[in-house]
Amino acid sequence: DAGITQSPRHKVTETGTPVTLRCHQTENHRYMYWYRQDPGHGLRLIHYSYGVKDTDKGEVSDGYSVSRSKTEDFLLTLESATSSQTSVYFCAISEPGTGVGEQYFGPGTRLTVT
Amino acid sequence: AQSVTQLDSQVPVFEEAPVELRCNYSSSVSVYLFWYVQYPNQGLQLLLKYLSGSTLVESINGFEAEFNKSQTSFHLRKPSVHISDTAEYFCAVGLSGSARQLTFGSGTQLTVLP
Repeated sequence: DAGITQSPRHKVTETGTPVTLRCHQTENHRYMYWYRQDPGHGLRLIHYSYGVKDTDKGEVSDGYSVSRSKTEDFLLTLESATSSQTSVYFCAISEPGTGVGEQYFGPGTRLTVT
Repeated sequence: AQSVTQLDSQVPVFEEAPVELRCNYSSSVSVYLFWYVQYPNQGLQLLLKYLSGSTLVESINGFEAEFNKSQTSFHLRKPSVHISDTAEYFCAVGLSGSARQLTFGSGTQLTVLP
């Protein structure tokens, strides 16, 4: 299994509070991604990173920010959580030089915003 | 931009029966195609992929998918399913030549009944 961990694995928070999710990899892969998974929508890309301090928006980036100060860590921040951000969040990594298009996923973080 | 449609959200099938999970994509440029599988409470894992060459690709556990360019489809098949194949299956598309980003379908829940 690819060395990807996500923390926390479960979190319940209140509307309006800031939340930060962490993705940590030990594979030294260049690309890292944050997705959210919701019933009926599959996985939707929030943000991705193609190197330290290099990030870009995905399909559903509103209300989210990211940071990558080290190769191994990719943080997702909800500045002011809303109930619509209740979801399961997955981090993924890839290294285009090896498996084309192949992404390795973390175990997910289940976030509930009350 | 590319998009992916998985026509069936739920597919129940009896053990040892054949199954087909349908996937259609839309793109104005050449694409790579993928099937990922998600077992309960886990992240996604790559099942198989089409990059180029033979239009029929196989996985190590008996699944196969055929790329049909004229019908813009990449259906997943297995001639005889097992209880352990119960999972959610996601079709994904990435741009040929890079595939740094993948667009996922909404998923098909395959339930194998005894």
